[in-house]
Amino acid sequence: KNEVEQSPQNLTAQEGEFITINCSYSVGISALHWLQQHPGGGIVSLFMLSSGKKKHGRLIATINIQEKHSSLHITASHPRDSAVYICAANDMRFGAGTRLTVKP
Amino acid sequence: DSGVTQTPKHLITATGQRVTLRCSPRSGDLSVYWYQQSLDQGLQFLIQYYNGEERAKGNILERFSAQQFPDLHSELNLSSLELGDSALYFCASSVGQGGRNQPQHFGDGTRLSIL
Repeated sequence: KNEVEQSPQNLTAQEGEFITINCSYSVGISALHWLQQHPGGGIVSLFMLSSGKKKHGRLIATINIQEKHSSLHITASHPRDSAVYICAANDMRFGAGTRLTVKP
Repeated sequence: DSGVTQTPKHLITATGQRVTLRCSPRSGDLSVYWYQQSLDQGLQFLIQYYNGEERAKGNILERFSAQQFPDLHSELNLSSLELGDSALYFCASSVGQGGRNQPQHFGDGTRLSIL
């Protein structure tokens, strides 16, 4: 059983929609990473956060360390946001990823 | 461009063979991480090196080994290859030895196919 759970596994949205991807973990950690993996395979680190909220452009990440939960939000989604989003605990445990497809 | 360089991009070989994957970290980064991503297992952490020394070990098989050289580049050696070793292998780097609480910069990966 994966101790880092992501939901949903797959998500299809229309351009402009607000997107939320959730990540829960069973064992306490001090920080969590959100990664974006493009269709070509390359991985980009989006956020590393240990508390509160971080924002970068249309992306917002939040974390509640005590509740062992983090969310990644995308506002005004665009087809170029189509990718797999992966959360990773800072003890090197990874979620299975959420495949996001944004349709024009 | 992350600044992390991995070679080769693609590798095709046969079962039982041995291969070496190479990673050059981003300039100034002292930590190198190796990850394996297979279709059925997702991303898995293999091993971390910091300034030439092994720092943390994950799900790395005994058939696999790694090292980090004085110029900070790293190599991942995979031997006695099996069909199940077919995967994308990523290298990432970060500035400090902790790494876990620091952003990591990923290379483009090496796609290994075992025939």
